[in-house]
Amino acid sequence: EPEVTQTPSHQVTQMGQEVILRCVPISNHLYFYWYRQILGQKVEFLVSFYNNEISEKSEIFDDQFSVERPDGSNFTLKIRSTKLEDSAMYFCASKTGSAGELFFGEGSRLTVL
Amino acid sequence: GEDVEQSLFLSVREGDSSVINCTYTDSSSTYLYWYKQEPGAGLQLLTYIFSNMDMKQDQRLTVLLNKKDKHLSLRIADTQTGDSAIYFCAGSKTSYDKVIFGPGTSLSVIP
Repeated sequence: EPEVTQTPSHQVTQMGQEVILRCVPISNHLYFYWYRQILGQKVEFLVSFYNNEISEKSEIFDDQFSVERPDGSNFTLKIRSTKLEDSAMYFCASKTGSAGELFFGEGSRLTVL
Repeated sequence: GEDVEQSLFLSVREGDSSVINCTYTDSSSTYLYWYKQEPGAGLQLLTYIFSNMDMKQDQRLTVLLNKKDKHLSLRIADTQTGDSAIYFCAGSKTSYDKVIFGPGTSLSVIP
């Protein structure tokens, strides 16, 4: 069964360092998303991406964040200069756009020290 | 904007039915979802219902939608210890729009 895959599963970084989280969405999906979940809290929308551009972003997604689809399969989230409060689980998700199902990867846990 | 509310905790005995409730504010939500998250794991899509439906059944899972009251529920029949997890109610306006999540209900199943 097709699935969304994310790497790395866990990354530890120092405050101020750049981090890139990678995702491979399901191959026939056209709409891509990043969400984050701070430990024990709700799942928060960060950004949606379609047709090689951002279609919507939340207030959390400030200038420190960027997304890219560098080739036909990968979808990346970059945090330019990490802060302690960026520590969270980051989930990538994708949809076909014609059906409503949103499928998630297993997440990348980011720990900022 | 969309807001989704859920009770935070539910405890049931193994073999009983569990009912997890959710209310949402945005009447333009056309897709309503239930996700399951086990400890340390990702978000598993359990089921979803389109807003023109009242009910959807899938094996042990029954979803009821009261569109007038903006109320969604998930019933798990014959609850097992493996059903212990956090259950998220979520909604989306269109098939391609972002999905907004509730705070999650932590279900504990007592053997």
